[in-house]
Amino acid sequence: GIQVEQSPPDLILQEGANSTLRCNFSDSVNNLQWFHQNPWGQLINLFYIPSGTKQNGRLSATTVATERYSLLYISSSQTTDSGVYFCAPTGANNLFFGTGTRLTVIP
Amino acid sequence: DTEVTQTPKHLVMGMTNKKSLKCEQHMGHRAMYWYKQKAKKPPELMFVYSYEKLSINESVPSRFSPECPNSSLLNLHLHALQPEDSALYLCASSPLPYNEQFFGPGTRLTVL
Repeated sequence: GIQVEQSPPDLILQEGANSTLRCNFSDSVNNLQWFHQNPWGQLINLFYIPSGTKQNGRLSATTVATERYSLLYISSSQTTDSGVYFCAPTGANNLFFGTGTRLTVIP
Repeated sequence: DTEVTQTPKHLVMGMTNKKSLKCEQHMGHRAMYWYKQKAKKPPELMFVYSYEKLSINESVPSRFSPECPNSSLLNLHLHALQPEDSALYLCASSPLPYNEQFFGPGTRLTVL
């Protein structure tokens, strides 16, 4: 299967700060999803982004499929952004989750 | 209706019990998935149903038995589980196999 590495594993931010989360994957992929898992376990879809750049409010994502990485940008972070962010590329027949970045935003 | 629902939210069962988890979606999606997530780990795929047929079983023990009665409903039947099976069980659906997946809130299972 596809190997997925996310960095950093843990991140602590002051409210209002910006951050960049990185996802590297080992093989070509059909698609890629970014999720936010909140403290109650719900996986929330952030982006479905096989290539290019998308923006949604304070969040944006860029996937460079030819170089096998994706970036998630969070601007003006809020305490509600806390949780675990997963990158999940889609291979031939499966969604492969990275190990996640645990984000804590402190007031 | 644009969500995936799962019941129950929490389940505590003994090792000799039989229970079932239920997942439902009314978005017309033709693929549904079961994942297992242990604490501080990413979700792991268990089963994939594509057009109501089981298409992937990721070497899951037979004490977990999936069922897809119709295109909107997915069940996971549990029998003779072990304490190490305690986890968050997540259901997802996608319009077609391996399109964008949408997840339910999960069932938190504890096996005593």
